[in-house]
Amino acid sequence: EVQLVESGGGLVKPGGSLRLSCVGSGFTFTFSHAWMSWVRQAPGKGLEWVARVKNGGTTDYVAPVKGRFTISRDDSRNTLYLQMSSLKTEDTAVYYCATSETLNAFDIWGQGTMVTVSS
Amino acid sequence: QSALTQPASVSGSPGQSITISCTGTSSDIGGSNSVSWYQQHPGKAPKLMIYDVGNRPSGVSDRFSGSKSGNTASLTISGLQAEDEADYYCGSYTTNIHVVFGGGTKLTVL
Repeated sequence: EVQLVESGGGLVKPGGSLRLSCVGSGFTFTFSHAWMSWVRQAPGKGLEWVARVKNGGTTDYVAPVKGRFTISRDDSRNTLYLQMSSLKTEDTAVYYCATSETLNAFDIWGQGTMVTVSS
Repeated sequence: QSALTQPASVSGSPGQSITISCTGTSSDIGGSNSVSWYQQHPGKAPKLMIYDVGNRPSGVSDRFSGSKSGNTASLTISGLQAEDEADYYCGSYTTNIHVVFGGGTKLTVL
């Protein structure tokens, strides 16, 4: 069974930085095969796709985080990262890593890690 | 990229059927067959219920079905059960291969 486990969330002041990690295990193919994404959910709000790194390393971002967040992967460690800088209060959310081995959808989700941006 | 438009809430009685709509544009739903639906219970991660417009992952009840017409996708749940009460989100790939979600619909089983 594929599992994703996020870590790295916490309380940070506006303008600060934080790095999230997501470790994957149990992939039928390999972690390096999967397109990996971060999806966030602000308190009481809906889902928002944040960023994706494809196999091979190509990255894409949603407009509000472009230039502030960097998604990356270390396939040797089966780990996905999200480096967040210049954080704003509106970045406060639960951050999920999500993927699929075979579908154009997210059938594998982590448990989420909470990021709170507040002074 | 704006979020897809869903009704804020829908409700139905046990055994009834309900449909949740999800409206986008020709740059997302209208131009993509990669439309998906997710169920989320409070405090839990989302769960994929429908992918590629109308396909169910293994293990998802056949009471859940999806369809699409033009720029609008729909999720239908038949034979409503108490455990179906949750938030539901649609999602779609866009023409530039980004992902956009709907604002979410709260389903109440009366």
